Amino acid sequence: SQTIHQWPATLVQPVGSPLSLECTVEGTSNPNLYWYRQAAGRGLQLLFYSVGIGQISSEVPQNLSASRPQDRQFILSSKKLLLSDSGFYLCAWSLSGALHFGNGTRLTVT
Amino acid sequence: QQPVQSPQAVILREGEDAVINCSSSKALYSVHWYRQKHGEAPVFLMILLKGGEQKGHDKISASFNEKKQQSSLYLTASQLSYSGTYFCGTDPPYNTDKLIFGTGTRLQVFP
Repeated sequence: SQTIHQWPATLVQPVGSPLSLECTVEGTSNPNLYWYRQAAGRGLQLLFYSVGIGQISSEVPQNLSASRPQDRQFILSSKKLLLSDSGFYLCAWSLSGALHFGNGTRLTVT
Repeated sequence: QQPVQSPQAVILREGEDAVINCSSSKALYSVHWYRQKHGEAPVFLMILLKGGEQKGHDKISASFNEKKQQSSLYLTASQLSYSGTYFCGTDPPYNTDKLIFGTGTRLQVFP
């Protein structure tokens, strides 16, 4: 069966510091991978999605970037965090169907 | 481009029914429905691909209209466990890899 791992679960970072969130999927090959962000009490905003290694589509221009160095690994990064980057970050995978989410990372930028 | 959900919030007593709507200004390839409990990740409920399709399991069902621009989620005889925020997710015909979520509907079920 397929599983998705996302870490860390919570993170507190100062403004201006770098960020690296990692997500890995097991039990499937060549999945679509997604990063969503959810501000407190708000909806799910699509940040990036990837249909294959090295293929990244960006939905929202901002100070975040994503990379897919391996088939089942998706990384979200920032060189300098802003206060507005705070939120609940969710990684998800799909194979032309339902999205399956990781448990999320709650990021607080102070 | 983001689908609009209505109502924004629903308060129910156990056993009551609810309908949540999801509308798009353009035809869609598919509609997904997810439920998110407070502090947790969204969980997939169902996906509809065909215009006129209806699907359901247990007491939660959904429909996708013929023009593929609107979907409704039906919760029958609601249970406490139904509480959470419901999101529809849609992808346009020109890019079925990209899933955009609706504005969300918060559902609270009380005893």
